[in-house]
Amino acid sequence: GAGVSQSPSNKVTEKGKDVELRCDPISGHTALYWYRQSLGQGLEFLIYFQGNSAPDKSGLPSDRFSAERTGGSVSTLTIQRTQQEDSAVYLCASSFAGTDEQYFGPGTRLTVT
Amino acid sequence: DQQVKQNSPSLSVQEGRISILNCDYTNSMFDYFLWYKKYPAEGPTFLISISSIKDKNEDGRFTVFLNKSAKHLSLHIVPSQPGDSAVYFCAASAAGTYKYIFGTGTRLKVLA
Repeated sequence: GAGVSQSPSNKVTEKGKDVELRCDPISGHTALYWYRQSLGQGLEFLIYFQGNSAPDKSGLPSDRFSAERTGGSVSTLTIQRTQQEDSAVYLCASSFAGTDEQYFGPGTRLTVT
Repeated sequence: DQQVKQNSPSLSVQEGRISILNCDYTNSMFDYFLWYKKYPAEGPTFLISISSIKDKNEDGRFTVFLNKSAKHLSLHIVPSQPGDSAVYFCAASAAGTYKYIFGTGTRLKVLA
């Protein structure tokens, strides 16, 4: 079946512009995660959605970052007024509630010039 | 503060030999550990996991060992194959939480 998909695969933007990154999780997965991987770093947790519960936003690095998940499915990560340090690969993952295996999308490589 | 550490950024191994990837953690509340493999331009894929009630879990060529007293786990791949060349991440979580802390990864290169 279809895996987790993310779009765009690459995004180059100018400093100060806003960007939106999209994630389509696996159908039936109620849990959705966003991570960021900066060059030479591990995966950094950003935000977690589980069903209709309030999301855990504790990993968002600043108030320029926000995310929403519509209808318990597709999620959008928005970065406002992008900075060069936002350049990274942004990964989305989904899982069945109560299980531990996360299925990752291919990521969006964001470059802020 | 890096709670999950993979101190070797890279490792080269000859095909057919054993690959040993190491991971250390600092949080004694962690009780579930996973290894993911990542190829370039792809997302990480789940490889193998271990719960703190075990000290070993085996799946084909892959075995994960957990030493709770040392807060150390390792992934053994034997025999190593060129297709195993990838970046390997270990991740840990505490009971009742859904948040995984990932290490920085180790790039494994298996030489033919």
